[in-house]
Amino acid sequence: DTGVSQDPRHKITKRGQNVTFRCDPISEHNRLYWYRQTLGQGPEFLTYFQNEAQLEKSRLLSDRFSAERPKGSFSTLEIQRTEQGDSAMYLCASSPPTAGGPTNDEQYFGPGTRLTVT
Amino acid sequence: AQSVTQLDSQVPVFEEAPVELRCNYSSSVSVYLFWYVQYPNQGLQLLLKYLSGSTLVESINGFEAEFNKSQTSFHLRKPSVHISDTAEYFCAVRPGTYKYIFGTGTRLKVLA
Repeated sequence: DTGVSQDPRHKITKRGQNVTFRCDPISEHNRLYWYRQTLGQGPEFLTYFQNEAQLEKSRLLSDRFSAERPKGSFSTLEIQRTEQGDSAMYLCASSPPTAGGPTNDEQYFGPGTRLTVT
Repeated sequence: AQSVTQLDSQVPVFEEAPVELRCNYSSSVSVYLFWYVQYPNQGLQLLLKYLSGSTLVESINGFEAEFNKSQTSFHLRKPSVHISDTAEYFCAVRPGTYKYIFGTGTRLKVLA
């Protein structure tokens, strides 16, 4: 068990460019989450996958954001036409399947991808 | 809607002194409560959680938190801190589903 990994760890891009981040969850974790953390704030929920199905998207996830988890394993988060306000740490987390529903599952967080939009 | 308030953004404390990091929440439904710790350049790690049962929960490294329903609080305490406890601590609630709602975090700085 190597933990949740995210790539890249840091990304600097110019305003208007597209960026894509990758998250590899812990193997056999079927639940995957994306959060965004800005300076001085706690993480804010962006979206949730159960297997390959995207079950919830936050209103924070504008039309420029898209997340996928095509085979129910790794996930990508793409931001199109980046803006300076997109600068943040993007966190991925995963949790194992739980019998009877998601009552007390712990989420395991990756180290995050820090995005800087200049 | 649910919300979490961590009033203290930074808490400096001398080594071996006690510390309390405050967390209050607001929710119209029952919630599960969590404390996560984030060391520099690392991801969030679960410190402890309250799901049900005893209102006092403990971590393996000496932290404890007590769920107080009447005061809607889940304060984190440690009787004697170490330099290695220097980190950012996040309180979170989960209102029965899968989504965490985090507070803004408290940066604990342990001084020698």
